[in-house]
Amino acid sequence: DAGITQSPRHKVTETGTPVTLRCHQTENHRYMYWYRQDPGHGLRLIHYSYGVKDTDKGEVSDGYSVSRSKTEDFLLTLESATSSQTSVYFCAITPRQGANEQYFGPGTRLTVT
Amino acid sequence: AQSVTQLGSHVSVSEGALVLLRCNYSSSVPPYLFWYVQYPNQGLQLLLKYTSAATLVKGINGFEAEFKKSETSFHLTKPSAHMSDAAEYFCAVSLGGGNEKLTFGTGTRLTIIP
Repeated sequence: DAGITQSPRHKVTETGTPVTLRCHQTENHRYMYWYRQDPGHGLRLIHYSYGVKDTDKGEVSDGYSVSRSKTEDFLLTLESATSSQTSVYFCAITPRQGANEQYFGPGTRLTVT
Repeated sequence: AQSVTQLGSHVSVSEGALVLLRCNYSSSVPPYLFWYVQYPNQGLQLLLKYTSAATLVKGINGFEAEFKKSETSFHLTKPSAHMSDAAEYFCAVSLGGGNEKLTFGTGTRLTIIP
């Protein structure tokens, strides 16, 4: 257990509304990641962070933004949700630099209607 | 750049039979390789990892994987399947060297036949 929680766990929202997903970790990990999981695509990296206010884009960042104002929280925002953003979103951490493996939170299932 | 290909999106084996899930990678530098398992409605759990030490890596739940550089493969095996092994399995690759980003394969769903 890497001490990662995600909230909400389930959300249904309408097209065009803003949505923020929260990832919270309790063990002061520096590296955090947001992925989306879709059938046939595996997990794809949206954004990642190497520390407070240090974020960068992943391979599928269009339509998403992130913020990290505290070590323990990594927020993913969909500024104007679209149906193509219906997915399961996972947060992950790397326990230390050079460790390479990642540990995942329980996920958030987001449905955009 | 790195990539991972998992051959077979669905694999079915009988309980007690050998499990073999295939993963081939592409990497410009010696890779770090991982297998993850995902049970229904859960997050991903690390099964095992290869980080340039022993080429045969043992993981949790009786799984193991062998790194074969000449074949660019990292196949996952288990000698005897158990009903509890039914899940989706993901292979992933990292470049290491301070670049901790993972690239995942598309997953293989393992079904165990009683």
